[in-house]
Amino acid sequence: NAGVMQNPRHLVRRRGQEARLRCSPVKGHSHVYWYRQLPEEGLKFMVYLQKENIIDESGMPKERFSAEFPKEGPSILRIQQVVRGDSAAYFCASSPSTPGEQYFGPGTRLTVT
Amino acid sequence: GENVEQHPSTLSVQEGDSAVIKCTYSDSASNYFPWYKQELGKRPQLIIDIRSNVGEKKDQRIAVTLNKTAKHFSLHITETQPEDSAVYFCAAGANTGNQFYFGTGTSLTVIP
Repeated sequence: NAGVMQNPRHLVRRRGQEARLRCSPVKGHSHVYWYRQLPEEGLKFMVYLQKENIIDESGMPKERFSAEFPKEGPSILRIQQVVRGDSAAYFCASSPSTPGEQYFGPGTRLTVT
Repeated sequence: GENVEQHPSTLSVQEGDSAVIKCTYSDSASNYFPWYKQELGKRPQLIIDIRSNVGEKKDQRIAVTLNKTAKHFSLHITETQPEDSAVYFCAAGANTGNQFYFGTGTSLTVIP
C-alpha cells in the first residue's frame, strides 16, 4: 500500500540549470497538489492538477515554473534556470477528492548553489 | 481568496499539560478544516479534520472545535507528551475551491 512517492529526495543544482521533481500519487488518487516550504516557514500552495489538466496554478510563478500530470506516469514540477531563491523543500500531495484529506509525499529538498 | 491566520507561532508546555492552537479564516465558503503535524525533516501528516456540519470532533487526546459564526477553529491536545513536539498547521478548504489555505504553523515544544 504505497503512499505518495517523490523523487529525488535531495537535488542539488547550479544556478541556471533545470530542476525536475517527480511525484507519484497514491494509487487511485486523481488530485495532485504541489507546495513549497522554505526553512521554518509554512506550506505555500503552488499548483493543483488532475490527470492531464492544470486546475489551479495561481500559486506558481508564471516564469520558469511549470507542472504537468500526464495520463500515464508521475506528476512533474519543472523549474527552469534555477536561482538561489528556489532552494526549498517541495512537497507533493494527493487526494481522492476535493476538499479532502491530502496525503503528502516525503518532499524533495532542492539546493541551488 | 481565503486568508488563514494561526496563533501562536511558538508554544511551550510542560509534559502532561494541555496545548491549544487557534486559527481564523475569512471565507465563509470554507467547509473543511484539517490539522497537520510535521516533525522535523518529515512530511506533514493529517492528525484530525472537521467539516462544517459539526462543531467538535475528538480522537483520543486530540480534539478540534469549530465556530462557523466567528470563523475560527482550534486544536486541543490534552496530556501532552514529548512526542507531541512538532510543527502543527491548520488549513481551510471549500467544495467550490481547488486548494487548501494553510496557516503559518505553530511550533509546539513539550518539556519533559
